[in-house]
Amino acid sequence: EAQVTQNPRYLITVTGKKLTVTCSQNMNHEYMSWYRQDPGLGLRQIYYSMNVEVTDKGDVPEGYKVSRKEKRNFPLILESPSPNQTSLYFCASSFKYSGQGRTGANVLTFGAGSRLTVL
Amino acid sequence: AQSVTQLDSHVSVSEGTPVLLRCNYSSSYSPSLFWYVQHPNKGLQLLLKYTSAATLVKGIKGFEAEFKKSETSFHLTKPSAHMSDAAEYFCVVSGQKVTFGTGTKLQVIP
Repeated sequence: EAQVTQNPRYLITVTGKKLTVTCSQNMNHEYMSWYRQDPGLGLRQIYYSMNVEVTDKGDVPEGYKVSRKEKRNFPLILESPSPNQTSLYFCASSFKYSGQGRTGANVLTFGAGSRLTVL
Repeated sequence: AQSVTQLDSHVSVSEGTPVLLRCNYSSSYSPSLFWYVQHPNKGLQLLLKYTSAATLVKGIKGFEAEFKKSETSFHLTKPSAHMSDAAEYFCVVSGQKVTFGTGTKLQVIP
């Protein structure tokens, strides 16, 4: 089954304790990205990757790191979590769209979400 | 730079009446536009997408949207609301970055 798998689904941690949320897709998608969802703010993009070894900042990258060493995996790293990073996180992937002289994300397939609480 | 504005945070309709969810976008190039739906405690599902073909786009579950470049709008419509349409809807503009609107919660009254 084509899917995006993220783990853990739920996590409670404490301020400053490094954590990693994993994301894996089995669709051979080039584009992968992370979002956080907060009430009233919609989803905001944290980081994205157009392909292996190519990553770039989204709109809210502060406090997060990512890496793309393999095409299928795109982990999100919180080096020193703080309470303001308490949120619902989604990983998503897509084929790359190329048209009209530009490239970017196409239809996104989302993971089920990871609810993170930082105390 | 790109941005998305969903003009209503909440919309309430009676079952069987039309649905209109409004979205305006800003982009320095001709964008790809999407509508996604999120049911309570669920993930996100694609409703429809516009990527420069026909300006009237048909999606799943009877939804459609019209791309109007002159008005920079991409409003979502459905002729007749069903109880199962109650959810949160997100308008999205996509280039290399992906920008979501803040969402519109649709309530359907029996």
